[in-house]
Amino acid sequence: DARVTQTPRHKVTEMGQEVTMRCQPILGHNTVFWYRQTMMQGLELLAYFRNRAPLDDSGMPKDRFSAEMPDATLATLKIQPSEPRDSAVYFCASGPESSGNTIYFGEGSWLTVV
Amino acid sequence: QQQVKQSPQSLIVQKGGISIINCAYENTAFDYFPWYQQFPGKGPALLIAIRPDVSEKKEGRFTISFNKSAKQFSLHIMDSQPGDSATYFCAASIGSWRGSTLGRLYFGRGTQLTVWP
Repeated sequence: DARVTQTPRHKVTEMGQEVTMRCQPILGHNTVFWYRQTMMQGLELLAYFRNRAPLDDSGMPKDRFSAEMPDATLATLKIQPSEPRDSAVYFCASGPESSGNTIYFGEGSWLTVV
Repeated sequence: QQQVKQSPQSLIVQKGGISIINCAYENTAFDYFPWYQQFPGKGPALLIAIRPDVSEKKEGRFTISFNKSAKQFSLHIMDSQPGDSATYFCAASIGSWRGSTLGRLYFGRGTQLTVWP
């Protein structure tokens, strides 16, 4: 059963610390998305990649957030330094080029910054 | 600016009733309209989707109705069950995966559905 795998599932960290979230997309999927979910804003797109190249990261605060795909099986989202307002659930999603826009979400990384 | 507007924010329905969630959009370039279902502690999962060349799509108890001229689409859940209690998101996107701005999904804010037994 293919699935998007995210780590960590839960993270509590202190303000100012660096946070790295990792995502393993479904094998063969060449498009990877990072979404953030909060009660206030709903699901916001932070960044997405196709064939490991960033296509759009306009939703991401550039001063503290960075997203990369070191290889086809790993996507990372880094926050440095973290702030309490970054507390949210971060979802990674992936999709194959031929799917007709169907994407598959991981179970999320629940981040709390205190 | 919210590209897809969803209502209501929350919905309570009795078991066996019909749940209706509505969405509206402005961008006429949107040509794919999926609905996602999210259970607590889980990621959203694709429930059903429609393209604008049809006005309705049905899968089991779930039906999407699409009104292209009004730029609105809705999800109907017939014979609602307690197991349907979840958050539902409508979304929209443009075209195929090609191009730098294509392929991303614009989500509505979500509707929290509670079905009472």
